[in-house]
Amino acid sequence: GQNIDQPTEMTATEGAIVQINCTYQTSGFNGLFWYQQHAGEAPTFLSYNVLDGLEEKGRFSSFLSRSKGYSYLLLKELQMKDSASYLCAVSDSNYQLIWGAGTKLIIKP
Amino acid sequence: GAVVSQHPSWVICKSGTSVKIECRSLDFQATTMFWYRQFPKQSLMLMATSNEGSKATYEQGVEKDKFLINHASLTLSTLTVTSAHPEDSSFYICSARVPSDYNEQFFGPGTRLTVL
Repeated sequence: GQNIDQPTEMTATEGAIVQINCTYQTSGFNGLFWYQQHAGEAPTFLSYNVLDGLEEKGRFSSFLSRSKGYSYLLLKELQMKDSASYLCAVSDSNYQLIWGAGTKLIIKP
Repeated sequence: GAVVSQHPSWVICKSGTSVKIECRSLDFQATTMFWYRQFPKQSLMLMATSNEGSKATYEQGVEKDKFLINHASLTLSTLTVTSAHPEDSSFYICSARVPSDYNEQFFGPGTRLTVL
């Protein structure tokens, strides 16, 4: 079966760094996405990885290891507005997104 | 990025009535749109994949006669919840696949449906 695993909830301090992990097992792989979703709102696209390595975009970076079926989202210089759920999704062989349950990130002052 | 709109943003209706939700891609043509449902504190659940000019593909457990999907043009897909009941109350979100190297999905703002 297809499976995406990520922690349910994480807590971090404003100004710090946090890493949200995602492991996956899917039928085929056409890339991995990270989305941010604030409470009561729709998800917004953060990043896409299809090749191994690190993709950096401002305060956010995303890493992929295809051989390990593993990705992480790294958030630096955390701000209170980063409090949200972070969704990991894998595009399978049919380009359909398989979604993780999301990681709720709580930022404390 | 690509813009997807959804209308209405929220709706309250009586049990037994039907509700139509529109999803539009504003600055690109979307041959494929997706409809999701999300209950409080739960992840996105894909309901169906909507392809322009053809019948939608429904996920297992989703009643196609209850959730009618029409994708009549490259910029518009509609979801009609027929004979809505309180258990249909949820956050309905559409997304459109952007034709690109990424094939990423951009989401509409969502529609919060409350059935009394």
